[in-house]
Amino acid sequence: DSGVTQTPKHLITATGQRVTLRCSPRSGDLSVYWYQQSLDQGLQFLIQYYNGEERAKGNILERFSAQQFPDLHSELNLSSLELGDSALYFCASSVQGGVNEQFFGPGTRLTVL
Amino acid sequence: ILNVEQSPQSLHVQEGDSTNFTCSFPSSNFYALHWYRWETAKSPEALFVMTLNGDEKKKGRISATLNTKEGYSYLYIKGSQPEDSATYLCAFSETGANNLFFGTGTRLTVIP
Repeated sequence: DSGVTQTPKHLITATGQRVTLRCSPRSGDLSVYWYQQSLDQGLQFLIQYYNGEERAKGNILERFSAQQFPDLHSELNLSSLELGDSALYFCASSVQGGVNEQFFGPGTRLTVL
Repeated sequence: ILNVEQSPQSLHVQEGDSTNFTCSFPSSNFYALHWYRWETAKSPEALFVMTLNGDEKKKGRISATLNTKEGYSYLYIKGSQPEDSATYLCAFSETGANNLFFGTGTRLTVIP
């Protein structure tokens, strides 16, 4: 158990809908990262927050957004969902950033029908 | 998007065999190289973080080396056991960035 929690574990929804994925980092970790893993692809970095502020952006679509709240939990919002958004979404946290190892949550499996 | 390549894509070995995998990454703007172990139905678990050229890290039967000048890292497993079966991921970060660029992994199956 990494200490990072994600909810929900599974999510099934329809095209065009909007969903919110939630992540609570390990106690004391200030950085939260979101990754997407689609079929046959490696983990793709989406976005990083550090102590409430956006720190880095990767391959995140405009239909997706995220935020980190004062209690350091983070939410990833996915809207106007398409079939291709079906994937495993991981959240990871680290103390700060840099060379600190990232601790991964169990992931949320999103299925868009 | 930075290109991080891992080989082989998959590997089957007999219990007791030693094995190794390769991770290739851009040699410019290097900051850190991470190795993760990812078991089926679980989340990736950090094995090593390496930053210096020539770094060698060891954890039990698993070790890793790093060559930042030529842009590669090797992961070695000595005397493979069935519980070593997993996907091994490497991830690269560049100077000034905290996010990781992952390879697609090497899937190891250890046959009892």
